[in-house]
Amino acid sequence: QKEVEQDPGPLSVPEGAIVSLNCTYSNSAFQYFMWYRQYSRKGPELLMYTYSSGNKEDGRFTAQVDKSSKYISLFIRDSQPSDSATYLCAMNNSPQGGSEKLVFGKGMKLTVNP
Amino acid sequence: GAGVSQSPSNKVTEKGKDVELRCDPISGHTALYWYRQSLGQGLEFLIYFQGNSAPDKSGLPSDRFSAERTGGSVSTLTIQRTQQEDSAVYLCASSSLAGGRDEQYFGPGTRLTVT
Repeated sequence: QKEVEQDPGPLSVPEGAIVSLNCTYSNSAFQYFMWYRQYSRKGPELLMYTYSSGNKEDGRFTAQVDKSSKYISLFIRDSQPSDSATYLCAMNNSPQGGSEKLVFGKGMKLTVNP
Repeated sequence: GAGVSQSPSNKVTEKGKDVELRCDPISGHTALYWYRQSLGQGLEFLIYFQGNSAPDKSGLPSDRFSAERTGGSVSTLTIQRTQQEDSAVYLCASSSLAGGRDEQYFGPGTRLTVT
């Protein structure tokens, strides 16, 4: 079993739809959870960064972490064609002031159709 | 400001040749990472440099892979005797650990094709 599991899709939705992306993980030591967005032929860019369990909202994006279930989600409201990209979840157990390698999911390819 | 840059953007090489991939991190970032992204796979960690500490090489897939970071800035990833399974996008990231938050910024990657 991989440490982080993510359905690679692809997922196609109409413009304006609510999109739900999910990852599960097996390492209970993970404390920091991230979502990256990667456009074709570009490097990943950080979209959301959360620590431990709870919700975090930024504009049309909401990240949720449920550590008890080892499950994280990213919701995109009012999806736009410009949201079409691959979304990767990532996590690590970086201690305060330290750093650790990120463990990534495979990435979900999302297409938002106008 | 300038982001992470990588060169070359594309590299085609013959099986058995050595290749060098370069990464220029964001100025002032003390941490530098190399990852590999293969078709159908997520990003896989390769190696991590932090300041003057010994690098974390735990992700290097074989002894054909090595990396160095000179002067705490530019890094070079070297793959010796390349194999077709080495074909992938090699991504570099850097972070500053400012405020204890490890936000990694990625470069555009080098797309390596081994023929």
